[in-house]
Amino acid sequence: AQSVTQLGSHVSVSEGALVLLRCNYSSSVPPYLFWYVQYPNQGLQLLLKYTTGATLVKGINGFEAEFKKSETSFHLTKPSAHMSDAAEYFCAVSPGGSYIPTFGRGTSLIVHP
Amino acid sequence: GAGVSQTPSNKVTEKGKYVELRCDPISGHTALYWYRQSLGQGPEFLIYFQGTGAADDSGLPNDRFFAVRPEGSVSTLKIQRTERGDSAVYLCASSFRANTEAFFGQGTRLTVV
Repeated sequence: AQSVTQLGSHVSVSEGALVLLRCNYSSSVPPYLFWYVQYPNQGLQLLLKYTTGATLVKGINGFEAEFKKSETSFHLTKPSAHMSDAAEYFCAVSPGGSYIPTFGRGTSLIVHP
Repeated sequence: GAGVSQTPSNKVTEKGKYVELRCDPISGHTALYWYRQSLGQGPEFLIYFQGTGAADDSGLPNDRFFAVRPEGSVSTLKIQRTERGDSAVYLCASSFRANTEAFFGQGTRLTVV
């Protein structure tokens, strides 16, 4: 079984500040890990994914995440927040080889001018 | 169209009624997924189709929920004897084949009154 915990239902940052959204997972087998973004009134969009290989993965819009097996974490970061980054972000996990993810509850990113 | 299309975008129904939610996947995609997203929660897996058959329906909450994909393209999620607790956004996603990236539609917001 897999599960995801996203720490903080809301994260607020100033424009230009570092974005850090935390995700810890639980999986009984080597996982695939995902971050999705959901803008208002839009569908979920894949930001980035880890399957195998390099543990630091880069995604769209300047986001990246690092798979840390020892910490069972997959935190999402971006060096400098833009107003357009304001959205709901979901971390998700699936058993390795599967693209049917189990989602966390989501973190709402608020960006202040 | 270029993306996953879900209709209707909004549906209000009375408790006890029957509803059908439609999903048009991206052309050529063989895998199709249904998720349900309740307020303040992440998407919850319902069912996965590979072609015409339901490869995994372990997420369907009870026998009031049923989904079909008779020709391996369009899928319909059917809910009988709706309850207020069924109110949620129902998301559909498709992928070219199993174990490749899934693309999500914008969802159908179901409200049971």
